[in-house]
Amino acid sequence: DQQVKQNSPSLSVQEGRISILNCDYTNSMFDYFLWYKKYPAEGPTFLISISSIKDKNEDGRFTVFLNKSAKHLSLHIVPSQPGDSAVYFCGGRDSGSARQLTFGSGTQLTVLP
Amino acid sequence: KAGVTQTPRYLIKTRGQQVTLSCSPISGHRSVSWYQQTPGQGLQFLFEYFSETQRNKGNFPGRFSGRQFSNSRSEMNVSTLELGDSALYLCASSLEGRTGELFFGEGSRLTVL
Repeated sequence: DQQVKQNSPSLSVQEGRISILNCDYTNSMFDYFLWYKKYPAEGPTFLISISSIKDKNEDGRFTVFLNKSAKHLSLHIVPSQPGDSAVYFCGGRDSGSARQLTFGSGTQLTVLP
Repeated sequence: KAGVTQTPRYLIKTRGQQVTLSCSPISGHRSVSWYQQTPGQGLQFLFEYFSETQRNKGNFPGRFSGRQFSNSRSEMNVSTLELGDSALYLCASSLEGRTGELFFGEGSRLTVL
């Protein structure tokens, strides 16, 4: 049972344009969502997060939107840069005592110069 | 501040063997989580340790085990290796009480022949 789904394995965007990465979840107990970025041969690094009580969080070029009724969140990168090319993982944090962080399968973003 | 350190970075084993991977968390972090990354499967949660106790466990067979020491360092062990165990094994540490941000190591790349 995949609690977090990233249905697009890959996405290509032209430099300077907007990148939109999508994520769907099924677990209603998630109270926090996080995005991580991963370059080859490196561990994932934290990018941006959002609490379930909010619908938007912005940090520079990165904005995450949360639609709780649809159980959907998206990460917007504007403008996209070649250095943004990486695998992006969406994760949901369970509000239960275990506080487990469950990730999706990732989306490979390629920003073309 | 030193990051999460994982050893070894690369290793090759044959089917039926066992392997032990090591993780040293960021100083002051008492929670250590392990994830398996395979193509198409994303980051799959293995287990989490806090104060030497396994707090949470993912859906993996009993061949996968772990432990945490009093200095918060953690090890995971995989016995009777199978070809499908070939993956990148990632360790992450976090501060208790934070909203879920994990700090990942660079991973241990295991190849089973």
